[in-house]
Amino acid sequence: DAGVIQSPRHEVTEMGQEVTLRCKPISGHNSLFWYRQTMMRGLELLIYFNNNVPIDDSGMPEDRFSAKMPNASFSTLKIQPSEPRDSAVYFCASSLGGEGSYEQYFGPGTRLTVT
Amino acid sequence: DAKTTQPPSMDCAEGRAANLPCNHSTISGNEYVYWYRQIHSQGPQYIIHGLKNNETNEMASLIITEDRKSSTLILPHATLRDTAVYYCIVREDRDDKIIFGKGTRLHILP
Repeated sequence: DAGVIQSPRHEVTEMGQEVTLRCKPISGHNSLFWYRQTMMRGLELLIYFNNNVPIDDSGMPEDRFSAKMPNASFSTLKIQPSEPRDSAVYFCASSLGGEGSYEQYFGPGTRLTVT
Repeated sequence: DAKTTQPPSMDCAEGRAANLPCNHSTISGNEYVYWYRQIHSQGPQYIIHGLKNNETNEMASLIITEDRKSSTLILPHATLRDTAVYYCIVREDRDDKIIFGKGTRLHILP
C-alpha cells in the first residue's frame, strides 16, 4: 500500500486566498484525522471522521476552516479566507478505527505558508 | 490536554540504550499507554503500546510500572536515525483520538 497520500506537499498563498488540502487514506481504513503542527502549539487534532462522518471537530480553530469526507478514499481541509497565522504543517492520518485499532498512519504532511 | 509528563529533551550515546521516561499518574484502568515518534519533517510514527504488561517489538520495549503511573520506552541500541521527538500518550482502546503533548526530543550523539 502507498500509505496515506497528501497533496500538495507545499503550498504558498497570499492572505485572503482559499486553500484546499487533500488526503487519501489507506484503503480499508475507517477513521481519518486532520492535524496541524506549529512550533508554538505543537501537534493539534483538528477533526476526525469515522466511516466518512465527522465525529469530533472541536479542534477546528474557527469558521474559516472546514473539512469534508465525501467518500472513504478522499478528504479535504479547506481554509477560506487564509491568514498568515494559518501557516503550519498539516498532517492527515488514518486508522482502522474502533476498538483494537491502535495505530494511526500519518501522511507526509502539507507545509502551508500564508504571506 | 495531554495526560502525560515527559522531559523536554534527552541525550543518548550511539549504540547505548535510550530510556525515555513518562509520567501518567492520572491514568485510568481502561487507558493504554502509547508511544509515537516524529522524525524531523515527517509525520508521527507508531512505536508500541501496552496496558499493564511489559511489551516488546522490533523497535522498542515498553516497561510499565505496577501501579501504571509511569512507564519507560527503551530503544535497546540507539542509532543516529533514532533522533526524533518521542510522544507518550494515554488513550482508551475504544477512543480513536490521540492527543499529543510536547514529547521528548531525543538526541543521539555519535
